Order: sequence, then C-alpha cells, then structure tokens
Amino acid sequence: EAQVTQNPRYLITVTGKKLTVTCSQNMNHEYMSWYRQDPGLGLRQIYYSMNVEVTDKGDVPEGYKVSRKEKRNFPLILESPSPNQTSLYFCASSFTSGGFSGANVLTFGAGSRLTVL
Amino acid sequence: GQNIDQPTEMTATEGAIVQINCTYQTSGFNGLFWYQQHAGEAPTFLSYNVLDGLEEKGRFSSFLSRSKGYSYLLLKELQMKDSASYLCAVMDSNYQLIWGAGTKLIIKP
Repeated sequence: EAQVTQNPRYLITVTGKKLTVTCSQNMNHEYMSWYRQDPGLGLRQIYYSMNVEVTDKGDVPEGYKVSRKEKRNFPLILESPSPNQTSLYFCASSFTSGGFSGANVLTFGAGSRLTVL
Repeated sequence: GQNIDQPTEMTATEGAIVQINCTYQTSGFNGLFWYQQHAGEAPTFLSYNVLDGLEEKGRFSSFLSRSKGYSYLLLKELQMKDSASYLCAVMDSNYQLIWGAGTKLIIKP
C-alpha cells in the first residue's frame, strides 16, 4: 500500500531531551516536507526537501533539524525540545513540488502528536 | 505578505448543499488545492484547480477565479461523514504551498 509512515504517533517528553520523529514513504517521491499544525493556525511548514541531500527551511524552522540521506526517509530532529514545540506534526510527500500537474499532490502521514513538558 | 482566508466554521444540514469559500493573495499562482481533514487525522486530497472554472468530482466540486483570487468548494447531498475541516492551499511562484487555517464544517441531522 502506498503510504507515508511516521513514528512515533504519540510522544510525551521533557524539555531538552533530544528526540527524532521518523518519516518514510514507499512511493519513490522526490519531494518531502514536515508540517506542524496548531489550533487556529493551520499547517505551517518546518522544512522541506526537493530530493536526496537537498533540504530547505520552511516558515518555522527554528528548533528543528532534518536530513535526507535516502530518498524514502526524512527524519525530523528536535535537538532540545521546548514546550512551544508541543504540536501535531505531519510528514508529507509528493512526486515533485512544481509544475502544472497532479504530481504535486501531497500524501500525508498519519501524524505525530508531541507533548513537551 | 501572502494570505489565504477561509471561514473558521460553518454549519449545514444533512442532505443539503454547502459552499466553502477561499480567497487568496499570493506571490504568483501555480494552482489551488483543497484537502479534507477529519479530526485528529491526516489531510487527504480533494481537488486541484489551476485554470479558471469548475472541476466536478462526484458530490464535490471546486471553482477557481484567478482574476478575483477566489475559489470555493461545493459539497452536495451532505452526509454526516462530511463533518471535517476543509483546507485551502495555494502554490505560489516558488512552488511553495501557502495554507489557509481551514474551515471546520459541522453537519447536523
């Protein structure tokens, strides 16, 4: 089944304890992205990757890191989590990010709900 | 700045029709997307418009007017399972998606 898989789905952690949220897609998509979703604010992009070894900052990158060493994986790293990073996180992927076509339709993972105490 | 506006919440009756509006001001335009998101779940793709006009997909239709910076999502024959948030997103000149905050649609029997 074509999908984007995120882990963990739920996590409660404490301030300063490094954590990684994994994201993997099995659709051979070039484009991958991380979003956070907070009530009333909609989806905000954290980082995105156009292809292997190519990553760029989104709108809210502070406090996060990413890497894209393989096409299928795009982990999100919180080096020193803080309470303001408590949120619902989504990983998403698409074939490309440009062009007038459906190739830029995003497939989302199920989400990772993170609580930082 | 870039901006997407949608109503925060709408209520409709089962079996009726509802129109969810989206207005946008972005740096360039490379398409407009509608996604559906049930509470606590991932967004799923509904429709994509890049040219003016109406795109119909079963009970759902999406309309775009690029000159007015305006789109709407039309849902017909509403069912209880249509209770969800509907997200409007515009792809700008850099092929980056700008997201609206979403419209929560409540369906009443």
